[in-house]
Amino acid sequence: KAGVTQTPRYLIKTRGQQVTLSCSPISGHRSVSWYQQTPGQGLQFLFEYFSETQRNKGNFPGRFSGRQFSNSRSEMNVSTLELGDSALYLCASSYKTGDYGYTFGSGTRLTVV
Amino acid sequence: ILNVEQSPQSLHVQEGDSTNFTCSFPSSNFYALHWYRWETAKSPEALFVMTLNGDEKKKGRISATLNTKEGYSYLYIKGSQPEDSATYLCAFMHGSARQLTFGSGTQLTVLP
Repeated sequence: KAGVTQTPRYLIKTRGQQVTLSCSPISGHRSVSWYQQTPGQGLQFLFEYFSETQRNKGNFPGRFSGRQFSNSRSEMNVSTLELGDSALYLCASSYKTGDYGYTFGSGTRLTVV
Repeated sequence: ILNVEQSPQSLHVQEGDSTNFTCSFPSSNFYALHWYRWETAKSPEALFVMTLNGDEKKKGRISATLNTKEGYSYLYIKGSQPEDSATYLCAFMHGSARQLTFGSGTQLTVLP
């Protein structure tokens, strides 16, 4: 079965721009979580969506937002990009709340210049 | 802010050696402890999800134990192979906020 698909794989944006990243979960998975990894930092939780509702949100500024569609696909948006937003963004899906672990996508590498 | 710590930060072992890593997490309001393996240029892969104090899980040569009362979990690899080289991440799930807080990982290199 298809895994978690994230698009695009790589992205270069300029400071001040906005960006939208996409995540298609495994078929049947209703929970989608987003994580940020920056050099020297572990995976930092951004937010989780379940059945189109945001269930949890990490400690990130309001410039980071997301949504989930009825087919469980999710997008995250970062507005007014800063250099510090350069990171690997991973999404992960699960059937419920990760009771059997999360399946991760390959990530989107965002570079802000 | 939840603190999840992993030690050691990195480890080099010879092929055939057995090794273990530690994950420390808050002992209150525990819901679950996850272990993931993250190989270079790949996605993190779930190894174990542990929920009960005293849990022991095994997958091939890799096993894990859980002590929720004192807030630690051990991951063991028996007879390490070069293909075991990866970063091993643990993640704590709090009882109230069902979100994963990851440790910074243990980077394992198995030398042939």
